[in-house]
Formats: sequence, C-alpha cells, structure tokens
Amino acid sequence: RKEVEQDPGPFNVPEGATVAFNCTYSNSASQSFFWYRQDCRKEPKLLMSVYSSGNEDGRFTAQLNRASQYISLLIRDSKLSDSATYLCVVNIRGGGFKTIFGAGTRLFVKA
Amino acid sequence: GAVVSQHPSRVICKSGTSVKIECRSLDFQATTMFWYRQFPKKSLMLMATSNEGSKATYEQGVEKDKFLINHASLTLSTLTVTSAHPEDSSFYICSARLRTTYEQYFGPGTRLTVT
Repeated sequence: RKEVEQDPGPFNVPEGATVAFNCTYSNSASQSFFWYRQDCRKEPKLLMSVYSSGNEDGRFTAQLNRASQYISLLIRDSKLSDSATYLCVVNIRGGGFKTIFGAGTRLFVKA
Repeated sequence: GAVVSQHPSRVICKSGTSVKIECRSLDFQATTMFWYRQFPKKSLMLMATSNEGSKATYEQGVEKDKFLINHASLTLSTLTVTSAHPEDSSFYICSARLRTTYEQYFGPGTRLTVT
C-alpha cells in the first residue's frame, strides 16, 4: 500500500463546478499536511496547509480527519485557471523526518 | 510565500560532461533542501535530502558519486550531475523547507537535456 494515495483522476469538469480531491495516508506518525498544485512543466506550488480544524482560502477548503487518516481539498466555482495537477503532501516524523508526495490528481476545467 | 530560485532554468550538454545546478532560498534560511527529478507526466521522485554543513542523504537507487550535492550555506545547495548521459535528461527541481512550518517551497526547476 502506498503511504499517500490520491484519486487517480483525471477529473474533467465544467467551469463553475465544485470539485473534491481525496487523499489518504497510512502512517499514523504523519504530522503535517499540505496541498500543492503543479502546472504542466512547472514546479509544484504550495496551495495550502491542512489543519485538523479545517481551513479555507477563498474558493478552496481543506480538511483533515486524523482518525480516518484522510485529507480533502474542495474547490468551489472552478475556473479554467484551476486546471492543474493537485498533489497531496504528508510530512512524517518517526525515526527521522520525511516528506511523501501523492501521485497527484489531474484536473481539467473546461468552458 | 517563501522564494526559491534555481539556476540554470534550462541546460543542454554533451554526453560525458558535468552540469551544476544551483538552488537558493532568497528570503529565508533553509537548513534542509531537497532535490527531485521528474519525468514527463510522472510524479516527483526524491533524489536526496541536502543538510547544511553535513553530507546529503540519498534515496535508494540514487548514486551519490553521480549526483554530487553540496549544501555549504543556509541559502545555497548545489547538485552536480557528473559524466551526464542521455538517460539523465530530466526536469530537476529543488525545494527548501521552512524550519517552523515544514512547508516546502520549490525552485522553478532545471530542464536538463543531454545529447
């Protein structure tokens, strides 16, 4: 089982749709959680950190459920510019410190 | 967010030559930097973790003598691809991690083509 698993995608949605990305992690020593977006042939960019209390930034909402070891990202009113690959990232502390990237979920938003 | 620069952005070199890529954290000090490579339409692959003032930690399967990493200061890490071959052609991306929040900020990447 992969340490961080994401929906395989791709997701194809019309503009204005609400999109939900799911991510699960297997290591209970996971400490911090992030969502990144990566555009084609570009570097990943931090979208938001994810907290147990949930956090919102404009059209983006991230949630963390530690009991279920599950992270989500919700995009409301999707725009064409939201088209990208969304990466779930988990930092694990235990016998060292390591960062695990999910394989990413590709999103295509169409007019 | 924090800014990480990477240079060069693109390099074409001949087989057998060495290429050095620089990664700088511009507005913060990074005790830990990471080097990744990414093939088209594939996930990021961590190559090594670069720790300021100590030896880098390489991931399994990554040759430390081929991919030399130096992290001489809190704002600079370098990756040297030695005796490059066409199969080393890839997108190399560095990142620097904030000590306080553990967020990683990525450089814009270096596209290496070995002919």
